[in-house]
Amino acid sequence: SQQGEEDPQALSIQEGENATMNCSYKTSINNLQWYRQNSGRGLVHLILIRSNEREKHSGRLRVTLDTSKKSSSLLITASRAADTASYFCATDGSGANNLFFGTGTRLTVIP
Amino acid sequence: DAGITQSPRHKVTETGTPVTLRCHQTENHRYMYWYRQDPGHGLRLIHYSYGVKDTDKGEVSDGYSVSRSKTEDFLLTLESATSSQTSVYFCAISEGISNQPQHFGDGTRLSIL
Repeated sequence: SQQGEEDPQALSIQEGENATMNCSYKTSINNLQWYRQNSGRGLVHLILIRSNEREKHSGRLRVTLDTSKKSSSLLITASRAADTASYFCATDGSGANNLFFGTGTRLTVIP
Repeated sequence: DAGITQSPRHKVTETGTPVTLRCHQTENHRYMYWYRQDPGHGLRLIHYSYGVKDTDKGEVSDGYSVSRSKTEDFLLTLESATSSQTSVYFCAISEGISNQPQHFGDGTRLSIL
């Protein structure tokens, strides 16, 4: 399977702390994306990082990509209760015509 | 939010009955996708479409068919539903395949008894 795998499966932190989630994948990629899913809702796109990029920022989000290790990380700084959600990485895989999603990290931010 | 509407939002049906789920978009995006989401498996692609009447299979296409007769509508059909198809189904749209974000509907929760 080309599916990415997120680590940890679940993460619980206090409001104001930083949250780091990791994604590992198996095949070479062109792009990697991160999504958030609130309970009972569809996924929401957060950030896309291309294979020739090493780091990307969007507000309180920082994504890194290490293609030599086939891994990516998502850092959420100064977390808020509203960040409570599941986070997924998605990869395209070399030559793939679609995205492959991981099983997600469930983040709980305690007020 | 991207204009994506899934219908119905919830459905309970019996094994062996046909089921059709509808995805409607108002964004005029070329690509449309159907996923299923199950605990422990994440999202898995069922079928996708890259244009009107142009579709292709995904990772878990067995037991499912799709049709796209108009840019805005993408239908997913379970010809004869089985209990293993109990899941949450998501439709997504995008302007490109992997180099553009996908925008998701809020899902259809389907229970097959």
